[in-house]
Amino acid sequence: GAVVSQHPSWVICKSGTSVKIECRSLDFQATTMFWYRQFPKQSLMLMATSNEGSKATYEQGVEKDKFLINHASLTLSTLTVTSAHPEDSSFYICSARWGADEAFFGQGTRLTVV
Amino acid sequence: ELKVEQNPLFLSMQEGKNYTIYCNYSTTSDRLYWYRQDPGKSLESLFVLLSNGAVKQEGRLMASLDTKARLSTLHITAAVHDLSATYFCAVDMNRDDKIIFGKGTRLHILP
Repeated sequence: GAVVSQHPSWVICKSGTSVKIECRSLDFQATTMFWYRQFPKQSLMLMATSNEGSKATYEQGVEKDKFLINHASLTLSTLTVTSAHPEDSSFYICSARWGADEAFFGQGTRLTVV
Repeated sequence: ELKVEQNPLFLSMQEGKNYTIYCNYSTTSDRLYWYRQDPGKSLESLFVLLSNGAVKQEGRLMASLDTKARLSTLHITAAVHDLSATYFCAVDMNRDDKIIFGKGTRLHILP
């Protein structure tokens, strides 16, 4: 299958700082990227869907000013967690696809806010 | 709004036994995925099902899709300890540009 790479794999940041997570499609162009958050022993919750060149569509209850998503090119989307707090600590996973094709998932980023 | 229900949520079973995980969804879907997740890891793609009646098998796992009933199943044959993991189904709705996950089934296979 196609490869989606997330960076970093894990990050620890201080409360109040911002952290950026990158999601890259390595061998295909992604018109759509999805961002998910997963708390321990829970399912993946869709945070937002981003289409290249457009503003992201956020799910209900997700603060768009706190979780900034930029899908600036067909191979890169970024999620910036602004003014992070301990409750933002989670596993963040991105997914990417071309058009209506199968979606492929990144390896995830474990964020710990201390 | 699309709802995806998986059951059971927890399953503890003996090695050698067979069992089935069910995934029901509430609206028409374009694609259904099954994933495996080990603790602390990301998702491993198991199956992608597209059409009504689709059946796919890999080793001891077999997945099927009934789009009319809005039901997919993941059947485990003669379970072995290595299959212990959490299994998720996810429903793809192209028209809404969403992929929604079920709550997952935590499978624990006892030696």
